[in-house]
Amino acid sequence: DAGITQSPRHKVTETGTPVTLRCHQTENHRYMYWYRQDPGHGLRLIHYSYGVKDTDKGEVSDGYSVSRSKTEDFLLTLESATSSQTSVYFCAISESTTGNTIYFGEGSWLTVV
Amino acid sequence: DQQVKQNSPSLSVQEGRISILNCDYTNSMFDYFLWYKKYPAEGPTFLISISSIKDKNEDGRFTVFLNKSAKHLSLHIVPSQPGDSAVYFCAALPRKTGNQFYFGTGTSLTVIP
Repeated sequence: DAGITQSPRHKVTETGTPVTLRCHQTENHRYMYWYRQDPGHGLRLIHYSYGVKDTDKGEVSDGYSVSRSKTEDFLLTLESATSSQTSVYFCAISESTTGNTIYFGEGSWLTVV
Repeated sequence: DQQVKQNSPSLSVQEGRISILNCDYTNSMFDYFLWYKKYPAEGPTFLISISSIKDKNEDGRFTVFLNKSAKHLSLHIVPSQPGDSAVYFCAALPRKTGNQFYFGTGTSLTVIP
């Protein structure tokens, strides 16, 4: 198993509160990603990082921000959580730009009430 | 705009028979394709991949076929086993445009004993 740890694994929060999800890797992989999984939509990319302090938006980035201050950590922040952000969030990592596999963490279940 | 599509949300197959999962894509820049398997409450795990320079890749009971002209790939599982019951995602990676993986919406496979 790839060394990816997500925290918290489960969280219930109220609308309008800030939430931060953490992803920690021990593989020293260059690329890190945050995806969300929703019924009927599959896995959709929120943000990704291609190096320390280098990040870019994915297809569903509105309402989310990320930071990567160290190779091993990638943080996803919901500045003001909304019910539409209730989802399962997966962190993933990969190493190179071509023909490479992406490895996923166990997921973080977030419920916004 | 979904660039990777799995048009069958679910599939049921008898144990021992062949399971065929399909995936279509629209972006001709995709040149590497992957299949992932996901059990409930777990992260997706890598199953098999194929480069666009090939039309077939086999790994044990799993074979992926790629038809570039039709922009179609399929995953064959033979023989199907109850433990194969899971959600299967196909994914695609475009060449030379970074490391952004695009996922389909998933197909839920049920293998009936």
